[in-house]
Amino acid sequence: SAVISQKPSRDICQRGTSLTIQCQVDSQVTMMFWYRQQPGQSLTLIATANQGSEATYESGFVIDKFPISRPNLTFSTLTVSNMSPEDSSIYLCSAGQGTNTEAFFGQGTRLTVV
Amino acid sequence: AQSVTQLGSHVSVSEGALVLLRCNYSSSVPPYLFWYVQYPNQGLQLLLKYTTGATLVKGINGFEAEFKKSETSFHLTKPSAHMSDAAEYFCAVSDLRGSNYKLTFGKGTLLTVNP
Repeated sequence: SAVISQKPSRDICQRGTSLTIQCQVDSQVTMMFWYRQQPGQSLTLIATANQGSEATYESGFVIDKFPISRPNLTFSTLTVSNMSPEDSSIYLCSAGQGTNTEAFFGQGTRLTVV
Repeated sequence: AQSVTQLGSHVSVSEGALVLLRCNYSSSVPPYLFWYVQYPNQGLQLLLKYTTGATLVKGINGFEAEFKKSETSFHLTKPSAHMSDAAEYFCAVSDLRGSNYKLTFGKGTLLTVNP
């Protein structure tokens, strides 16, 4: 199994600013993903973080708003840019490798924008 | 595109009673199906998964689920609820054949257990 650590675990930010969330996995993984969980809602996939290339974004999410980096097989960052109160959510990092294995999740970053 | 419907955003049971959380999915290909649990202020933990083979899948903490293709369902059950089972439960389906970590989630069911 893989252990995923996210930093920060929570933050309160001013609107118009940006926050970078870090995701560290304790072993090399093939794929990493970023999800958003809005208050009272389910998880929505933001993007797939690709090692060494640009992330693949889902419909409704764009790189300018959610730039993602993945410099190696164990680390990724998600930046929430020019934040507004609507960005208040829990952001979760997920990782997995190979086929027929489970997806592991970090504990999430609880973001509040005021 | 695949989708997941969880019937009942909130289920309340008494301690010791049967737990039944409903999940229906739509998929154009044979799905991989999952149940995750989220305790307050924590990430998601996998309860169980169906990929291929036996349609009755047993997971952690006494939970099990049965894949019924004819009903496109994957309901989660536990014979006897414990107070510690109180959490939010998410049903999910894989979005890519052979890659079961790009997931589409249902809206979740909050389970409360009454003493």
